[in-house]
Amino acid sequence: AQTVTQSQPEMSVQEAETVTLSCTYDTSESDYYLFWYKQPPSRQMILVIRQEAYKQQNATENRFSVNFQKAAKSFSLKISDSQLGDAAMYFCAYAMIQGAQKLVFGQGTRLTINP
Amino acid sequence: DVKVTQSSRYLVKRTGEKVFLECVQDMDHENMFWYRQDPGLGLRLIYFSYDVKMKEKGDIPEGYSVSREKKERFSLILESASTNQTSMYLCASGYTIRYHTGELFFGEGSRLTVL
Repeated sequence: AQTVTQSQPEMSVQEAETVTLSCTYDTSESDYYLFWYKQPPSRQMILVIRQEAYKQQNATENRFSVNFQKAAKSFSLKISDSQLGDAAMYFCAYAMIQGAQKLVFGQGTRLTINP
Repeated sequence: DVKVTQSSRYLVKRTGEKVFLECVQDMDHENMFWYRQDPGLGLRLIYFSYDVKMKEKGDIPEGYSVSREKKERFSLILESASTNQTSMYLCASGYTIRYHTGELFFGEGSRLTVL
């Protein structure tokens, strides 16, 4: 069974600084998707960024980028120029390519932005 | 914009009561999911459905059942609520992963307290 592990329950960063959230996963599949989702306080979970395992290039979305290390099964999220609105729970998730898109989630990392 | 609506944001029920959590999506998604979110455990899949009247167990189905009579609606049922079912319940929907991005769209969540 696939598993996703986020070893940092909480992180904090100064506004305008850069922070990296860690995620590791375990799978025997060679092709899959990885995601970072953001859950702001009392608001809906939204997708931040997505990576397809067959693509070697790391995904980027504005201030958000990932460091995807397939061999190490590592998928970290880097947030540059942190803003107060980035404060949220961040979840790393894995999905197989085939079948229904069941996402397997990590435990989550609560990110605090200090002004 | 995709909208996933959960019928109740907050519920308080007594042990032994039957509880219905309703979820409606407006994007004609084939797949719908119920997750349970607990601190330190992340999101765990309870049940999912890939078509009307079709359902599959997730990782923690015990004590729950589901119903999908119409494509846009997916209900989670607690036949006899227990205190260990006190949690946040998240509904999500999405297209079949093979043909789309794999992104799931989430509702705002239903926080259930069982006394």
